[in-house]
Amino acid sequence: GQQVMQIPQYQHVQEGEDFTTYCNSSTTLSNIQWYKQRPGGHPVFLIQLVKSGEVKKQKRLTFQFGEAKKNSSLHITATQTTDVGTYFCAGQINFNKFYFGSGTKLNVKP
Amino acid sequence: NAGVTQTPKFQVLKTGQSMTLQCAQDMNHEYMSWYRQDPGMGLRLIHYSVGAGITDQGEVPNGYNVSRSTTEDFPLRLLSAAPSQTSVYFCASSYLRGGSIDTQYFGPGTRLTVL
Repeated sequence: GQQVMQIPQYQHVQEGEDFTTYCNSSTTLSNIQWYKQRPGGHPVFLIQLVKSGEVKKQKRLTFQFGEAKKNSSLHITATQTTDVGTYFCAGQINFNKFYFGSGTKLNVKP
Repeated sequence: NAGVTQTPKFQVLKTGQSMTLQCAQDMNHEYMSWYRQDPGMGLRLIHYSVGAGITDQGEVPNGYNVSRSTTEDFPLRLLSAAPSQTSVYFCASSYLRGGSIDTQYFGPGTRLTVL
């Protein structure tokens, strides 16, 4: 079964609106990584969170790791058309294995 | 640095044929892995390696073999292709730091169709 669940599957927003995607695991994660994949492209690393309750920011992107290390979120403030793509979380559960969420496909209307 | 390279970019096979997907990295990464990506299912780990001569199974290993004779190369072999193996295959590599997988760098992918 799926180890890491991600919602929503799709999100359509108007440019300037905010966007959030959520990941949940029934198992404690060692760490979690976030990736962005543009249409037709390959996943590109965004960030890694390791500590319980960790919050990291990259310009308009805010990443959070839950206190229990079982959930995480990615929030984008004031979306732009360049944010279009699919965002994946990937949690390390077992040694040397990452489990990817199913991804959230973001579409931004100009 | 070329990063992670994969060949071929596209491949069409008939059921029962075998083939090898190539993956190479020039970053001296210990960890290499193969994922398959199917619509709506994210990426699923097929096999991975933590160094030359060491490989292990991921989530969906059936029908695939791997070997790691050098740090740079990590080929994926399809033994007898089936339509269920139609997918996009990504190879990735990273450093291992203190038992954790660091930033994973992905190759451009191989789009495989099995008829």
